[in-house]
Amino acid sequence: DQQVKQNSPSLSVQEGRISILNCDYTNSMFDYFLWYKKYPAEGPTFLISISSIKDKNEDGRFTVFLNKSAKHLSLHIVPSQPGDSAVYFCAYTVNYGGSQGNLIFGKGTKLSVKP
Amino acid sequence: DTGVSQDPRHKITKRGQNVTFRCDPISEHNRLYWYRQTLGQGPEFLTYFQNEAQLEKSRLLSDRFSAERPKGSFSTLEIQRTEQGDSAMYLCASSLRRDWTGELFFGEGSRLTVL
Repeated sequence: DQQVKQNSPSLSVQEGRISILNCDYTNSMFDYFLWYKKYPAEGPTFLISISSIKDKNEDGRFTVFLNKSAKHLSLHIVPSQPGDSAVYFCAYTVNYGGSQGNLIFGKGTKLSVKP
Repeated sequence: DTGVSQDPRHKITKRGQNVTFRCDPISEHNRLYWYRQTLGQGPEFLTYFQNEAQLEKSRLLSDRFSAERPKGSFSTLEIQRTEQGDSAMYLCASSLRRDWTGELFFGEGSRLTVL
């Protein structure tokens, strides 16, 4: 049973346009949702996060929206650049049981930004 | 480069053999994490250390797996009697944060192929 679902395995966007990556979750017990970016042959890199008490967080071209009633998270990239082409994972921090290390990841969405 | 370093980057072994992976975290980071990623999936939490203490282990970490961080610096992950299902990318990450926010610095990973 997937706790974090990224239903789009891939997304193709034109350079300069907006990229919207989506994530749905089932467990409401979390403190933070995060987005990680992964290039081939590299480890994941932290991109942006949002606390469970917020509904929006912005960092430059990246904005994350959290809709707790719909259990939905999205990442907006505006404007998209070819260097944004990577696999994007959403993840949340497990907060039950006093966990201090468990991140639950989705399967990822491969973003391709075409020049 | 002072990022998280993992060795070896790729290991091919025969079923039943033992393998060991090493991780050198970012020097001032006291928290170290091991994750595993299989094809088409997001990373999955295995275990976590604060300094030399192993504070949390996932149920994925079977008896054949053992992780150590003897002096609170580098860590090793050993897999005994490898099985084909152990084939995966083993990711190490580190963090300096005192509070658990999910922000981790990942290494490039050690890819294990069990024949």
